[in-house]
This record gives sequence, C-alpha cells and structure tokens, in this order.
Amino acid sequence: AQSVTQLGSHVSVSEGALVLLRCNYSSSVPPYLFWYVQYPNQGLQLLLKYTSAATLVKGINGFEAEFKKSETSFHLTKPSAHMSDAAEYFCAVNIAGGTSYGKLTFGQGTILTVHP
Amino acid sequence: GAVVSQHPSRVICKSGTSVKIECRSLDFQATTMFWYRQFPKQSLMLMATSNEGSKATYEQGVEKDKFLINHASLTLSTLTVTSAHPEDSSFYICSAIVAGGYNEQFFGPGTRLTVL
Repeated sequence: AQSVTQLGSHVSVSEGALVLLRCNYSSSVPPYLFWYVQYPNQGLQLLLKYTSAATLVKGINGFEAEFKKSETSFHLTKPSAHMSDAAEYFCAVNIAGGTSYGKLTFGQGTILTVHP
Repeated sequence: GAVVSQHPSRVICKSGTSVKIECRSLDFQATTMFWYRQFPKQSLMLMATSNEGSKATYEQGVEKDKFLINHASLTLSTLTVTSAHPEDSSFYICSAIVAGGYNEQFFGPGTRLTVL
C-alpha cells in the first residue's frame, strides 16, 4: 500500500521568504512522486515529478523538490515566495510499474499563504 | 499539449435528477481516465478508474449504480450522477494519463455540482 503525509495543513510565509512544504511517503516499492498546485475552483496543475532519475527535481515557477529515500521524503521548496504562489499544494505518490497503473494517492494538502 | 477539459464547469440541479459530466482529452488519446471528488477544504478522493472500452473500476465505498461511468472513446469519459442528493454536492475532477508518460496525470478544471 502507498500513502502520503503532508506535514502542516497551512503554511504562511512573507513575500520573498523561503517556501518549504513537507511531504513524506510510504511505499513498498520505488515510487513515482508528484507535486500539484490547485488554485480555488480549479483543477490540479503539475509542478514537478520524480521518476527515479535525478533526486533533485526542478519544476515550474521556480519550485524544486528533493527525493530522499532514507527519509522517505519529497519536500517542496522555493527560494523566494511570490504572492502568486498562494494556493493549495498536493503531494501524490504512485507505485512505479505497479498493477494499479496510474492511480495516485494524494496527501491532505497544504494551503500556502503569502503575506506582502 | 496534454489538455483535459470538463463540461460543464458548474451545474445546479434539483434533488432526484441525474447529471452528466464530460471529461475530454483534447490533444491526446487517453486509454485511462480517473474521476475524483473533492469536498471543501479536503484532498482529492479517487472514485473510479475509467478504461476505454471496458467497465470502470470503482474504489471501495463508491456506489457504481449511483456514479455511472462510460469511457466510449479514447478522448471522452462521462460521469453520470444518478438521482442526485444534496450530499452529492461536491467538486468533481477528472484526469487522464498520457501513455508512456511515467503515469503522469493531467487534470481537468473540475465541475462544481450543487444539488438543491
């Protein structure tokens, strides 16, 4: 079974400050990991994905995440927050090559607030 | 590329009526699509996996007779909420997988269903 835990349902930062959104996963086999962003009343947009290549993954809008197998973590970071980054962020896991092809398990989500 | 659309974006209906939601992959063929529902301030919950030309696979606890899924072509899946009740009010989101794309799902913009 696979699962995802996002630590902190709400994160608040000042504009220009570091953004750190935490995600830990549980999977019995090598996972694919994803970060999605959701703006109010909209679908999900992919920020970045880990697919067993480089452990440091760079995504859109200046976000990046590092896969750490020893810590079973895939935290999302951005060096300098922008007001437009305010949204809800979801971490998701899918078992690589598993029989449950493509099925994603989502974390609970983290709402990011950016203060001027 | 990899754009997924949903129609309608918003629907209000009376209790007891049926509502159909369409999910289309606009620029790619999707052998597999997924349907999620999202309650306010909650994460996405997978309802079912829709495979072209075969019966949908429902997650535990999802009533297959209430949430009818049809995936008649490689670019269209429909979700019909039958005999809708107020508790079915939710945000419904579909996604589609690009074949060979590391199980990456592309999400539609969502449909807001309100049952009066």
